Amino acid sequence: NAGVTQTPKFRILKIGQSMTLQCTQDMNHNYMYWYRQDPGMGLKLIYYSVGAGITDKGEVPNGYNVSRSTTEDFPLRLELAAPSQTSVYFCASSWDTQETQYFGPGTRLLVL
Amino acid sequence: RKEVEQDPGPFNVPEGATVAFNCTYSNSASQSFFWYRQDCRKEPKLLMSVYSSGNEDGRFTAQLNRASQYISLLIRDSKLSDSATYLCVVTPSNTGKLIFGQGTTLQVKP
Repeated sequence: NAGVTQTPKFRILKIGQSMTLQCTQDMNHNYMYWYRQDPGMGLKLIYYSVGAGITDKGEVPNGYNVSRSTTEDFPLRLELAAPSQTSVYFCASSWDTQETQYFGPGTRLLVL
Repeated sequence: RKEVEQDPGPFNVPEGATVAFNCTYSNSASQSFFWYRQDCRKEPKLLMSVYSSGNEDGRFTAQLNRASQYISLLIRDSKLSDSATYLCVVTPSNTGKLIFGQGTTLQVKP
């Protein structure tokens, strides 16, 4: 099992550009999450999904959108990149709400 | 008040030392508690879950005090490889949402 994979590993965007961060898991997990981590800080939840076709906002959803058309994939979309979105983005998945969350390796995003 | 607060770091300790990290959480309805470990520029990985009765995994001991809304992690006989950031994590309710503390950095010196 590859676990949780994320692409790209690193990206530089100009202000106003858009991009999609990809996340795929091969563990057949129902739950998937997107977090961002700013330097020296803990992770903050952006969006999460409890199953295909169902998504919900987390703590910091503004400026982002998600979709969950399959169990495996949970892409995160930035429509109009802003410098405040410079961060490391982690995708995670879990079998159930009380179970361990498994994280992908992260995507480092720099918005200039 | 932050939902999850941890001891400010960094902790610099010699090899073989015992070190303790503390964490408090604000939501008394919180249901699940974890310690995650994060190496520099890497993703967080589960270190251990924390149970009301306390639990131990080798050199690591986790304790939960629901009345005081307090979680702790004790590391005995520190190794160089223990150097990392330790994240206190709480699930406020049965939603699967994890609330992370800001992390405490441990540096174990030879």
